Amino acid sequence: RKEVEQDPGPFNVPEGATVAFNCTYSNSASQSFFWYRQDCRKEPKLLMSVYSSGNEDGRFTAQLNRASQYISLLIRDSKLSDSATYLCVVNSPGAGSYQLTFGKGTKLSVIP
Amino acid sequence: SQTIHQWPATLVQPVGSPLSLECTVEGTSNPNLYWYRQAAGRGLQLLFYSVGIGQISSEVPQNLSASRPQDRQFILSSKKLLLSDSGFYLCAWSVSGFAYEQYFGPGTRLTVT
Repeated sequence: RKEVEQDPGPFNVPEGATVAFNCTYSNSASQSFFWYRQDCRKEPKLLMSVYSSGNEDGRFTAQLNRASQYISLLIRDSKLSDSATYLCVVNSPGAGSYQLTFGKGTKLSVIP
Repeated sequence: SQTIHQWPATLVQPVGSPLSLECTVEGTSNPNLYWYRQAAGRGLQLLFYSVGIGQISSEVPQNLSASRPQDRQFILSSKKLLLSDSGFYLCAWSVSGFAYEQYFGPGTRLTVT
């Protein structure tokens, strides 16, 4: 089983739609969770950290389910500028507690 | 605020040539530093990380090496490039300690011909 798995997509959605991404992780001891956004040919940028209680930042909502070992990202009212690849990121206990493992990403295209 | 710089932005090198990529961080002290590679259409692969000057840990055996001569400087090198070394090289930093979020530089796109 891969450490961090994501549906590669692409997800093609119209402007204004709500879209959800899921991610599963294999190490039950992981404690830090993030979503990053990567535009084409650019560096990944932190979108948001994911907290146990779930958290929201504007149109973006992240949730964590430790029992099932999955993380989700919900984007409401999609904008054209949301088009990017979204990376699920989890820390890797036992491999150096400060290391992060990146999923391969889910590509989102928001269509006018 | 913290800023991370990488150069060059793009590089085309022949097989067998040497490589030196540099990364510097401003606005923070004693950061953890990381080198990643992203091959075309693939995920991020951690190559090296450093928790302090002169302290380098390698994640993947290969013909690359890394050095940290100063607190906020991280260098990726190779004596002889292979075709398989082509990719997008990203430097990142994080606050030292536990698995805090990492912040990436703009990256170097390397093509080995």
